[in-house]
Amino acid sequence: DAMVIQNPRYQVTQFGKPVTLSCSQTLNHNVMYWYQQKSSQAPKLLFHYYDKDFNNEADTPDNFQSRRPNTSFCFLDIRSPGLGDAAMYLCATSRTAARGAMNTEAFFGQGTRLTVV
Amino acid sequence: ELKVEQNPLFLSMQEGKNYTIYCNYSTTSDRLYWYRQDPGKSLESLFVLLSNGAVKQEGRLMASLDTKARLSTLHITAAVHDLSATYFCAAGRGAQKLVFGQGTRLTINP
Repeated sequence: DAMVIQNPRYQVTQFGKPVTLSCSQTLNHNVMYWYQQKSSQAPKLLFHYYDKDFNNEADTPDNFQSRRPNTSFCFLDIRSPGLGDAAMYLCATSRTAARGAMNTEAFFGQGTRLTVV
Repeated sequence: ELKVEQNPLFLSMQEGKNYTIYCNYSTTSDRLYWYRQDPGKSLESLFVLLSNGAVKQEGRLMASLDTKARLSTLHITAAVHDLSATYFCAAGRGAQKLVFGQGTRLTINP
């Protein structure tokens, strides 16, 4: 049974048209991550939530935003997608007992492949 | 800043042979992960290594961690075609961040 679910699996959007990717989890993990993976590259962390606390990576463009309305759901909003934003977007979750404590294993969803036309 | 480097980045090998993928990381890390990724797919967790000297094995794959050398290895024994994939290591420090290596694209030929 899938524990981290991303929707949709494939998304085609027009240049400049806002798009939202979703991630849900049944693990009750308190940490959720969004990674961007371009072709033949390693996943790159965009941001993560520790509970409701949002943590942005310094080099994540302002074009990328995120929302976490509750423990189970997290959204990635791309305000004005450009051709360079075409990639696989991976959501992951993990559990941390306390801030600064060691994480458990990170579980990844199946990813959303974004195409910008 | 934590950096993770893998080598080799590309590996082509014959079925039945043994080989090792290396993962070096630059600063203290409290955990090391190995993932497998098939083309167009997400990341599948293989191993989580949490302490110095940790060794884990699953089938033809064995992973180890040397925190003093800041080195993890993924050893493939008697490779089979089904193991063809890209393998990533990732190291973590602090509460939440995972930093990935560049990945090793493994091709196993009959």
